[in-house]
Amino acid sequence: GENVEQHPSTLSVQEGDSAVIKCTYSDSASNYFPWYKQELGKGPQLIIDIRSNVGEKKDQRIAVTLNKTAKHFSLHITETQPEDSAVYFCAADPGAGSYQLTFGKGTKLSVIP
Amino acid sequence: NAGVMQNPRHLVRRRGQEARLRCSPMKGHSHVYWYRQLPEEGLKFMVYLQKENIIDESGMPKERFSAEFPKEGPSILRIQQVVRGDSAAYFCASSPGAVYGYTFGSGTRLTVV
Repeated sequence: GENVEQHPSTLSVQEGDSAVIKCTYSDSASNYFPWYKQELGKGPQLIIDIRSNVGEKKDQRIAVTLNKTAKHFSLHITETQPEDSAVYFCAADPGAGSYQLTFGKGTKLSVIP
Repeated sequence: NAGVMQNPRHLVRRRGQEARLRCSPMKGHSHVYWYRQLPEEGLKFMVYLQKENIIDESGMPKERFSAEFPKEGPSILRIQQVVRGDSAAYFCASSPGAVYGYTFGSGTRLTVV
């Protein structure tokens, strides 16, 4: 089955700096890669996603890049703000028409004012 | 438009008791997904249901766990004879069809004592 590895597990940045979180996946059939933000005591919230026919996608301060050959994808947050502090999860689908997602173990991002 | 509603938010059960977790999808959504999150871990897929049908239960433990999504009313995740290892956060998500980008609820935190 699909396996998703996520790094780093914790990340601290100064307010205004950029943050990068990286994930690798194992199943070459995967074609959907979302990123979720989870605040303490809340459910995961979809912040951006990318499909395999696209190499990069951007939404204001957030961008995601995908390298299908290397089977890795990354989340980039620019001009970080304290409210960006949360746990971020990457995920991938196993392909073959399945709608379940395999999640990474998460990255705890702390933005220091 | 209310989001995905899960209740209860917190549930404490003694070993051997039954736990019932409820999930009301967003209005107009007929597809429901259940995930389990252990401490410091990512979410693990359990089951995918449509109204009155289980589509994919490949992530469900073979014993003690069951799920339903009746024609009327919320989806129910039922855990019989709970054990300490069942302690986790259980998240439900819904979507309007067999599409990605589904919306998660705030979860039910189950503690088995």
